[in-house]
Amino acid sequence: GAVVSQHPSWVICKSGTSVKIECRSLDFQATTMFWYRQFPKQSLMLMATSNEGSKATYEQGVEKDKFLINHASLTLSTLTVTSAHPEDSSFYICSARRWAGAYEQYFGPGTRLTVT
Amino acid sequence: AQKITQTQPGMFVQEKEAVTLDCTYDTSDPSYGLFWYKQPSSGEMIFLIYQGSYDQQNATEGRYSLNFQKARKSANLVISASQLGDSAMYFCAMREGQLGNQFYFGTGTSLTVIP
Repeated sequence: GAVVSQHPSWVICKSGTSVKIECRSLDFQATTMFWYRQFPKQSLMLMATSNEGSKATYEQGVEKDKFLINHASLTLSTLTVTSAHPEDSSFYICSARRWAGAYEQYFGPGTRLTVT
Repeated sequence: AQKITQTQPGMFVQEKEAVTLDCTYDTSDPSYGLFWYKQPSSGEMIFLIYQGSYDQQNATEGRYSLNFQKARKSANLVISASQLGDSAMYFCAMREGQLGNQFYFGTGTSLTVIP
């Protein structure tokens, strides 16, 4: 068990449009989900932490109005990149944790976003 | 200061040999967890092994073992009997505190297994 899916796995969008990425925990309920961003050949950088039913906590330097996160249920979190620009092109990875204090995060397969 | 340091950007190992990937960490929290993940070219993060700060024994999972030296603040990953499928990026990560949310990732080590 402990499978996390992301949809879409890759997306190309035009500059100025918005794109939504879904993260689902398929076989467990996730009290907390995390969104990471990874540039080519670089490490993962945490963007925000979301708890079901409450507002996301954004890391310093991450624009909350640009990267909208919604954690509407215990199995679904969404990241919406609004008014996307080419510099937003990146690999976005979500992860989920079952409960506070659980030591492990389960990662989704990632979404590759290309903004033209 | 960097929370997680991986000093080897790239490593090569002969198939069937063992390889050690280095990781040092920095924290003042007595409770923390250390993780290793494998990221193949497809991009998904694959959990390999976990070591808790209070664990007395070094963690092992199949061909993976974690050489945990608390006083040195190091958590090196040892892969025994390397296989071609082990070629990937490897990331060391740390979570601080029992309830800490954030995972701090190192910059990764690219491992290439040579036939």
